[in-house]
Amino acid sequence: DTGVSQDPRHKITKRGQNVTFRCDPISEHNRLYWYRQTLGQGPEFLTYFQNEAQLEKSRLLSDRFSAERPKGSFSTLEIQRTEQGDSAMYLCASSRDRVQSEQYFGPGTRLTVT
Amino acid sequence: AQSVAQPEDQVNVAEGNPLTVKCTYSVSGNPYLFWYVQYPNRGLQFLLKYITGDNLVKGSYGFEAEFNKSQTSFHLKKPSALVSDSALYFCAVRDGGTGGFKTIFGAGTRLFVKA
Repeated sequence: DTGVSQDPRHKITKRGQNVTFRCDPISEHNRLYWYRQTLGQGPEFLTYFQNEAQLEKSRLLSDRFSAERPKGSFSTLEIQRTEQGDSAMYLCASSRDRVQSEQYFGPGTRLTVT
Repeated sequence: AQSVAQPEDQVNVAEGNPLTVKCTYSVSGNPYLFWYVQYPNRGLQFLLKYITGDNLVKGSYGFEAEFNKSQTSFHLKKPSALVSDSALYFCAVRDGGTGGFKTIFGAGTRLFVKA
């Protein structure tokens, strides 16, 4: 088990630019989740996948956010036209394909929008 | 919609004393409940979960949690706190009534264990 990895670990971008983050889940995990965490808050659900299918997306997520998992393995999260309010830690997690399964989290990507 | 509340931003306890970190939840169906811990500069780690059965569940590092359906609570406990337990603790819930995997996290409780 190599764990969940995320790349990059840190990203600084200027307002209005697009950014893309990558998540590599634990290989045998079918489920993959994206969260956003700001200082002093818990992880906020963004979206999740079962294999390549995106099954649910938070209504709080604007159209500037999009996520893909094209081959059911790694996933990407893209933010278009970044705003300062997008500054946060973006967390990825994966789990087995049972609703009782716990999630394994990556180290996160810290985004700073200047 | 499911929700989770952690009423305490911070809990302070002396080393060797018992600790409790509180969590209450709201779901439409049966709850799947989880506790995670976040140490400084490290990712979230799973501690324990309640799915069904015995109301007292045991997890990693000597932690346990008690599920109380009537009070819709899932408090995290440890009989004897260690300084190394100081961290940020998150309660999380999935709504078994929806069948989905969406997980809602509480805002977190910071635990300080004083030597």
